[in-house]
Amino acid sequence: GAGVSQSPRYKVTKRGQDVALRCDPISGHVSLYWYRQALGQGPEFLTYFNYEAQQDKSGLPNDRFSAERPEGSISTLTIQRTEQRDSAMYRCASSLTPNTEAFFGQGTRLTVV
Amino acid sequence: AQKITQTQPGMFVQEKEAVTLDCTYDTSDPSYGLFWYKQPSSGEMIFLIYQGSYDQQNATEGRYSLNFQKARKSANLVISASQLGDSAMYFCAMRPTGGSNYKLTFGKGTLLTVNP
Repeated sequence: GAGVSQSPRYKVTKRGQDVALRCDPISGHVSLYWYRQALGQGPEFLTYFNYEAQQDKSGLPNDRFSAERPEGSISTLTIQRTEQRDSAMYRCASSLTPNTEAFFGQGTRLTVV
Repeated sequence: AQKITQTQPGMFVQEKEAVTLDCTYDTSDPSYGLFWYKQPSSGEMIFLIYQGSYDQQNATEGRYSLNFQKARKSANLVISASQLGDSAMYFCAMRPTGGSNYKLTFGKGTLLTVNP
Protein backbone atom coordinates (compact mmCIF):
# COMPACT_ATOMS: atom_id res chain seq x y z
CA GLY A 1 0.00 0.00 0.00
CA ALA A 2 0.89 3.67 -0.16
CA GLY A 3 1.49 4.02 3.55
CA VAL A 4 1.40 2.13 6.81
CA SER A 5 -2.18 1.21 7.60
CA GLN A 6 -3.47 0.48 11.08
CA SER A 7 -6.86 -0.80 12.10
CA PRO A 8 -9.03 -0.08 13.85
CA ARG A 9 -8.37 3.65 14.20
CA TYR A 10 -10.31 3.74 17.46
CA LYS A 11 -11.12 0.92 19.84
CA VAL A 12 -13.13 1.10 23.03
CA THR A 13 -13.14 -2.07 25.07
CA LYS A 14 -14.23 -3.17 28.50
CA ARG A 15 -11.68 -4.02 31.11
CA GLY A 16 -10.79 -7.70 30.96
CA GLN A 17 -11.46 -8.12 27.24
CA ASP A 18 -8.79 -9.07 24.73
CA VAL A 19 -7.99 -6.76 21.81
CA ALA A 20 -6.07 -7.27 18.58
CA LEU A 21 -4.53 -4.32 16.76
CA ARG A 22 -3.53 -4.73 13.15
CA CYS A 23 -0.67 -3.16 11.21
CA ASP A 24 -0.24 -3.40 7.45
CA PRO A 25 3.22 -2.04 6.61
CA ILE A 26 4.35 -0.47 3.38
CA SER A 27 4.75 -3.21 0.79
CA GLY A 28 8.25 -4.66 0.78
CA HIS A 29 9.31 -3.14 4.08
CA VAL A 30 11.44 -5.53 6.06
CA SER A 31 11.39 -3.86 9.46
CA LEU A 32 8.28 -3.33 11.56
CA TYR A 33 7.99 -1.59 14.93
CA TRP A 34 5.25 -1.26 17.50
CA TYR A 35 5.14 1.73 19.84
CA ARG A 36 2.82 3.04 22.54
CA GLN A 37 2.40 6.76 23.00
CA ALA A 38 0.75 8.49 25.92
CA LEU A 39 -0.59 12.00 25.47
CA GLY A 40 2.20 14.57 25.43
CA GLN A 41 4.92 11.92 25.54
CA GLY A 42 7.32 10.41 23.05
CA PRO A 43 6.66 7.00 21.50
CA GLU A 44 7.64 4.16 23.80
CA PHE A 45 9.19 1.13 22.10
CA LEU A 46 7.28 -2.13 22.44
CA THR A 47 8.69 -4.60 19.94
CA TYR A 48 10.51 -4.96 16.61
CA PHE A 49 10.36 -7.44 13.73
CA ASN A 50 12.83 -8.11 10.97
CA TYR A 51 10.82 -10.01 8.35
CA GLU A 52 8.82 -12.49 10.44
CA ALA A 53 11.38 -12.72 13.23
CA GLN A 54 10.61 -10.85 16.43
CA GLN A 55 14.10 -9.61 17.21
CA ASP A 56 13.37 -7.43 20.20
CA LYS A 57 10.40 -7.57 22.53
CA SER A 58 12.05 -5.90 25.47
CA GLY A 59 9.50 -3.09 25.52
CA LEU A 60 6.42 -5.24 25.99
CA PRO A 61 5.18 -4.24 29.47
CA ASN A 62 4.12 -7.69 30.65
CA ASP A 63 2.99 -11.08 29.42
CA ARG A 64 -0.48 -9.79 28.55
CA PHE A 65 1.11 -8.16 25.51
CA SER A 66 2.20 -10.18 22.49
CA ALA A 67 2.87 -9.55 18.83
CA GLU A 68 3.31 -11.60 15.72
CA ARG A 69 4.16 -11.15 12.06
CA PRO A 70 3.79 -14.68 10.72
CA GLU A 71 4.42 -14.04 7.02
CA GLY A 72 6.73 -11.07 7.31
CA SER A 73 4.07 -8.59 6.30
CA ILE A 74 0.97 -7.83 8.39
CA SER A 75 1.50 -7.73 12.13
CA THR A 76 -0.91 -8.05 15.03
CA LEU A 77 -0.40 -6.69 18.52
CA THR A 78 -2.60 -8.50 21.03
CA ILE A 79 -3.41 -7.33 24.53
CA GLN A 80 -5.10 -9.88 26.75
CA ARG A 81 -7.26 -9.06 29.77
CA THR A 82 -7.04 -5.34 29.11
CA GLU A 83 -6.67 -2.91 31.98
CA GLN A 84 -7.40 0.81 32.14
CA ARG A 85 -3.68 1.60 32.20
CA ASP A 86 -3.42 0.05 28.71
CA SER A 87 -5.34 3.03 27.29
CA ALA A 88 -3.03 4.84 24.86
CA MET A 89 -2.25 5.43 21.21
CA TYR A 90 -0.62 2.36 19.69
CA ARG A 91 1.55 3.10 16.67
CA CYS A 92 3.12 0.89 14.05
CA ALA A 93 6.04 1.89 11.84
CA SER A 94 7.87 0.18 9.01
CA SER A 95 11.13 0.75 7.18
CA LEU A 96 12.47 -0.68 3.94
CA THR A 97 15.58 -1.93 5.65
CA PRO A 98 16.81 -1.71 9.24
CA ASN A 99 19.01 1.23 8.20
CA THR A 100 16.45 3.47 6.52
CA GLU A 101 13.85 5.88 7.83
CA ALA A 102 10.77 4.49 9.54
CA PHE A 103 7.30 5.59 8.43
CA PHE A 104 4.43 5.59 10.89
CA GLY A 105 0.80 4.66 10.56
CA GLN A 106 -2.02 6.81 11.90
CA GLY A 107 -2.20 4.75 15.07
CA THR A 108 -4.96 2.99 16.99
CA ARG A 109 -6.44 4.91 19.91
CA LEU A 110 -7.28 2.30 22.54
CA THR A 111 -9.58 3.18 25.41
CA VAL A 112 -10.24 0.65 28.14
CA VAL A 113 -13.33 1.42 30.21
CA ALA B 1 21.50 1.11 25.85
CA GLN B 2 20.46 4.21 23.96
CA LYS B 3 19.14 7.43 25.39
CA ILE B 4 17.77 10.56 23.73
CA THR B 5 17.45 13.80 25.67
CA GLN B 6 15.40 16.76 24.53
CA THR B 7 15.80 19.44 27.19
CA GLN B 8 13.30 21.95 25.81
CA PRO B 9 9.72 20.99 26.68
CA GLY B 10 8.47 24.01 24.73
CA MET B 11 9.86 26.61 22.34
CA PHE B 12 8.42 29.77 20.83
CA VAL B 13 9.54 31.45 17.62
CA GLN B 14 8.30 34.33 15.51
CA GLU B 15 7.10 33.55 12.04
CA LYS B 16 9.91 33.79 9.43
CA GLU B 17 12.65 33.44 12.02
CA ALA B 18 14.92 30.41 12.45
CA VAL B 19 14.70 28.11 15.47
CA THR B 20 16.95 25.36 16.85
CA LEU B 21 15.53 22.36 18.68
CA ASP B 22 18.07 20.60 20.86
CA CYS B 23 18.77 16.88 20.96
CA THR B 24 21.58 15.03 22.71
CA TYR B 25 22.06 11.30 22.70
CA ASP B 26 23.99 8.59 24.42
CA THR B 27 24.94 5.26 22.91
CA SER B 28 27.71 2.70 22.98
CA ASP B 29 27.06 1.66 19.40
CA PRO B 30 29.81 2.69 16.96
CA SER B 31 27.36 3.18 14.11
CA TYR B 32 23.93 4.77 14.36
CA GLY B 33 21.35 6.93 12.65
CA LEU B 34 19.59 10.01 13.98
CA PHE B 35 16.07 11.03 13.00
CA TRP B 36 13.69 13.90 13.53
CA TYR B 37 9.91 13.53 13.36
CA LYS B 38 7.13 16.12 13.45
CA GLN B 39 3.82 15.43 15.15
CA PRO B 40 1.15 18.07 14.49
CA SER B 41 -2.01 18.30 16.55
CA SER B 42 -3.66 15.85 14.13
CA GLY B 43 -1.47 13.15 15.69
CA GLU B 44 0.37 11.77 12.68
CA MET B 45 4.13 11.18 12.84
CA ILE B 46 5.92 12.77 9.92
CA PHE B 47 9.53 11.89 9.10
CA LEU B 48 11.62 15.03 8.54
CA ILE B 49 15.32 14.29 8.28
CA TYR B 50 17.98 11.61 8.81
CA GLN B 51 21.68 11.76 9.69
CA GLY B 52 24.01 8.78 9.68
CA SER B 53 26.82 8.79 12.23
CA TYR B 54 29.44 8.38 9.51
CA ASP B 55 27.97 10.93 7.12
CA GLN B 56 30.54 13.59 6.36
CA GLN B 57 28.08 16.41 5.85
CA ASN B 58 25.15 17.60 7.90
CA ALA B 59 21.79 16.54 6.47
CA THR B 60 19.47 19.11 4.93
CA GLU B 61 15.90 18.78 3.64
CA GLY B 62 14.39 22.01 2.44
CA ARG B 63 13.97 24.31 5.44
CA TYR B 64 15.19 21.60 7.81
CA SER B 65 18.83 21.00 8.61
CA LEU B 66 20.47 18.82 11.20
CA ASN B 67 23.41 20.29 13.11
CA PHE B 68 25.32 17.10 13.89
CA GLN B 69 28.21 17.37 16.34
CA LYS B 70 29.45 13.86 16.92
CA ALA B 71 32.00 14.66 19.60
CA ARG B 72 29.35 16.43 21.63
CA LYS B 73 26.75 13.76 20.84
CA SER B 74 24.26 16.33 19.68
CA ALA B 75 21.89 16.36 16.71
CA ASN B 76 20.00 19.63 16.81
CA LEU B 77 17.24 20.39 14.30
CA VAL B 78 17.32 23.81 12.68
CA ILE B 79 14.16 25.09 11.04
CA SER B 80 14.71 28.17 8.90
CA ALA B 81 12.06 30.74 7.99
CA SER B 82 9.47 29.33 10.40
CA GLN B 83 5.89 29.07 9.23
CA LEU B 84 2.68 28.86 11.24
CA GLY B 85 2.29 25.28 10.02
CA ASP B 86 5.52 24.35 11.77
CA SER B 87 3.73 24.52 15.11
CA ALA B 88 3.87 20.94 16.34
CA MET B 89 5.60 18.48 18.62
CA TYR B 90 9.07 17.49 17.40
CA PHE B 91 10.76 14.23 18.34
CA CYS B 92 14.40 13.26 18.03
CA ALA B 93 15.17 9.55 17.68
CA MET B 94 18.13 7.28 17.15
CA ARG B 95 18.77 3.73 16.00
CA PRO B 96 21.93 1.62 15.90
CA THR B 97 23.02 0.45 12.47
CA GLY B 98 25.33 -2.28 11.32
CA GLY B 99 24.56 -4.75 14.08
CA SER B 100 21.56 -6.87 15.02
CA ASN B 101 19.83 -4.37 17.30
CA TYR B 102 17.69 -1.92 15.35
CA LYS B 103 15.65 -0.51 18.17
CA LEU B 104 14.47 3.02 17.39
CA THR B 105 14.48 5.12 20.56
CA PHE B 106 12.68 8.46 20.91
CA GLY B 107 13.11 11.49 23.13
CA LYS B 108 10.26 13.11 25.05
CA GLY B 109 9.76 15.81 22.43
CA THR B 110 9.71 19.59 22.14
CA LEU B 111 6.50 21.52 21.53
CA LEU B 112 7.19 24.30 19.04
CA THR B 113 4.81 27.23 18.75
CA VAL B 114 5.22 29.65 15.85
CA ASN B 115 3.76 33.07 16.56
CA PRO B 116 2.42 35.33 13.79
